[in-house]
Amino acid sequence: KAGVTQTPRYLIKTRGQQVTLSCSPISGHRSVSWYQQTPGQGLQFLFEYFSETQRNKGNFPGRFSGRQFSNSRSEMNVSTLELGDSALYLCASSLEPGEQYFGPGTRLTVT
Amino acid sequence: AQRVTQPEKLLSVFKGAPVELKCNYSYSGSPELFWYVQYSRQRLQLLLRHISRESIKGFTADLNKGETSFHLKKPFAQEEDSAMYYCALFDGNQFYFGTGTSLTVIP
Repeated sequence: KAGVTQTPRYLIKTRGQQVTLSCSPISGHRSVSWYQQTPGQGLQFLFEYFSETQRNKGNFPGRFSGRQFSNSRSEMNVSTLELGDSALYLCASSLEPGEQYFGPGTRLTVT
Repeated sequence: AQRVTQPEKLLSVFKGAPVELKCNYSYSGSPELFWYVQYSRQRLQLLLRHISRESIKGFTADLNKGETSFHLKKPFAQEEDSAMYYCALFDGNQFYFGTGTSLTVIP
């Protein structure tokens, strides 16, 4: 099976802009979770989608949003980018609760 | 509140020496605990989970509810074990990750 894929792999944006990141889960996986990874904070949970519904949400401002499509692909959007949003954004899919398969991540740089 | 603590950011051991990566957690219920590993230029991957109670690549981890710990151990470290290790807790809804320990095995 193909692994979790994320596009784009690298992105440079300017403060105030918005960005959309995409994640394609492993075939058959209906749960997709998003994480922000930074050197100081490690991995922080953003949200999880299951069957097109947001099932869980972490402690991030409303500028961070997401959605999931009927084919389980998920997108994450960040509006009004801030310098502090520079991070590696990881997507993970799972078939059963508790076992996640991670994508390679999208490296976002905000200037 | 911090759910998972990995007190060591960096850990270096010599090849063949025992290694222990520490993980402490805070959670009132019955947690599910995991260790994830990220080798250089590879994606984050599951190493082991406490409910399976199996040894992966020679690593084991025992859940100690009294000490709220889930330390990762290996009796004889190998150079290929050099990686970033993350301890994680799943509370039934979401994962909480520690900040990670970078392990270097010195030849």
